[in-house]
Amino acid sequence: EPEVTQTPSHQVTQMGQEVILRCVPISNHLYFYWYRQILGQKVEFLVSFYNNEISEKSEIFDDQFSVERPDGSNFTLKIRSTKLEDSAMYFCASIGRTSNTGELFFGEGSRLTVL
Amino acid sequence: LAKTTQPISMDSYEGQEVNITCSHNNIATNDYITWYQQFPSQGPRFIIQGYKTKVTNEVASLFIPADRKSSTLSLPRVSLSDTAVYYCLVGGNNDYKLSFGAGTTVTVRA
Repeated sequence: EPEVTQTPSHQVTQMGQEVILRCVPISNHLYFYWYRQILGQKVEFLVSFYNNEISEKSEIFDDQFSVERPDGSNFTLKIRSTKLEDSAMYFCASIGRTSNTGELFFGEGSRLTVL
Repeated sequence: LAKTTQPISMDSYEGQEVNITCSHNNIATNDYITWYQQFPSQGPRFIIQGYKTKVTNEVASLFIPADRKSSTLSLPRVSLSDTAVYYCLVGGNNDYKLSFGAGTTVTVRA
């Protein structure tokens, strides 16, 4: 079965440091997402990406966040200067070869701990 | 995007049927209804998707009334391994902000 892969699985960083979380979506999918889940809370939408640009972003996704698809396979989330409250699980997801209806495929997540 | 409302939690026993209802009063004409399951420290996993009436797959059924303002996920004969959080998500084609609600924590007891 096709899968979304994320690296690293766990990253510990100091407050103020830059972090890059990496994702390899399912081949030939066209729509890409990042979600965040703080421990014990719901899954929160961060950003969606289609046709090499951001299509929608939440109020959480401020200037400290950026996304990039540097090549045909990777999809990255960068946090420029991490804060304590950025500690969370970050999930990448992809959907759709022709539209964004259907099944959202999630990766196993990257746990970010900011000290 | 239509806002969804689900019960916060539900308890059940092994072998029973569990029905979780999600309200989405502001659902749009082109919105689909999709349910996901999430185990601790894992990404959500697709269960089922529907637009209207009834959809069934190997793990669940989804019932959608004619007005589409609600939907019910039915899990037949649950086991301990079905203990998870279940999310109802409503969105349509070209709806890029696919947001999850608070979800329903289902606890299955022996």
